[in-house]
Amino acid sequence: EVQLVQSGAEVKKPGESLKISCKASGYRFARYWIGWVRQMPGKGLEWMGIIFPDDSDTIYSPSFEGHVTISVDKSISTAYVQWSSLKASDTAIYYCAGMIDTAMVFDYWGPGTLVTVSS
Amino acid sequence: ELVLTQSPGTLSLSPGERATLSCRASQSVSDNYLAWYQQKPGQAPRLLIYGASSRSTGIPDRFSGSGSGTDFTLTISRLEPEDFAVYYCHQYANLSPGTFGQGTKVEIK
Repeated sequence: EVQLVQSGAEVKKPGESLKISCKASGYRFARYWIGWVRQMPGKGLEWMGIIFPDDSDTIYSPSFEGHVTISVDKSISTAYVQWSSLKASDTAIYYCAGMIDTAMVFDYWGPGTLVTVSS
Repeated sequence: ELVLTQSPGTLSLSPGERATLSCRASQSVSDNYLAWYQQKPGQAPRLLIYGASSRSTGIPDRFSGSGSGTDFTLTISRLEPEDFAVYYCHQYANLSPGTFGQGTKVEIK
């Protein structure tokens, strides 16, 4: 059974750094793209970027490139998104999602990680 | 960036009625790489349709997708109480970047 288990909710101050995780199981992690989607409070879904774990090939949305870093640790089947300096506008739920059974479509989703950035 | 525009923003219907949701792309979506997701409050999105018209595993056949090029439709033939949710279209023909529509809320009338 495919599972994507995300790290817990975070409360941070502006300017702080953060790295949240998504641990995958039930499939060959290195061989399928995995990505991140943002949902700001009461808003829609935003495609942030995707990474191919086998070679760490990464595609970012221009809206997020330079502000977040997407990475993986193949040895523990885990994907990450990190910020070096958070802003209040980063407050959102962040979903990881895998493209596993259906090529290039997010067909498996994690439950989301709520990130709150407030002074 | 390929922009997706969904309409209407909100659809107010009764259980048993037919729902028709639209998704229009700013340029042609090659190979009909268009998906639909359902999201309920407090839950992650769930894949309903991919390739414009193929149902994902376990999705009831009251959900159907159609369209090509720039115009796509999600139809729910007879609304069940559990179908009241927000629906998003998503194009994956161009993953630099992938994009979502802004969503259509299907609410109980």
